Amino acid sequence: GAVVSQHPSRVICKSGTSVKIECRSLDFQATTMFWYRQFPKKSLMLMATSNEGSKATYEQGVEKDKFLINHASLTLSTLTVTSAHPEDSSFYICSASGSRDDEQFFGPGTRLTVL
Amino acid sequence: GENVEQHPSTLSVQEGDSAVIKCTYSDSASNYFPWYKQELGKRPQLIIDIRSNVGEKKDQRIAVTLNKTAKHFSLHITETQPEDSAVYFCAATPHKEYGNKLVFGAGTILRVKS
Repeated sequence: GAVVSQHPSRVICKSGTSVKIECRSLDFQATTMFWYRQFPKKSLMLMATSNEGSKATYEQGVEKDKFLINHASLTLSTLTVTSAHPEDSSFYICSASGSRDDEQFFGPGTRLTVL
Repeated sequence: GENVEQHPSTLSVQEGDSAVIKCTYSDSASNYFPWYKQELGKRPQLIIDIRSNVGEKKDQRIAVTLNKTAKHFSLHITETQPEDSAVYFCAATPHKEYGNKLVFGAGTILRVKS
């Protein structure tokens, strides 16, 4: 089956620093990758959609300069949280899809804690 | 844009009983409706999905029904077991021009009491 990995699984950083999260599709080519954030006991909120080789499409209310997304290859997308603050602490999950009609395969998530 | 509402927010059932979770969506052009199960701190896992050209789909103890006219779909779990306890999310894919992005419901915490 389709496998998506995420790294790191957990990160703790100081306020003001930047954190990069990687999302990889291990056994298929992901034309589209999605980034979600999930607060405790809440639903998944889509942050942005990224297509390989093009700029990400951000959802309304998501700061593109704060959450930098790069989808440089068909198997790798990165999310960089710049100048992180405690309110950015959350569970970040990526997903990958092989085509417009395929299901999304989710990564295991990254728990970000900003002190 | 698409809006997905999910009910109930919590559901407690006795082991062996059935559980039903309902979702409504707003975009009549939505054509893909997956259901995910998420355990604490884990990734969402697809348990069943249905496309708009089908009214019902079943996989062992799990079934999903879709009413396109009323714009609602439901998850049915029969003979519930303690390991079914988790958070369940419905989702819908809005119009194709937005790609296959998913809009999620708020989630239902299912507790199966043994």
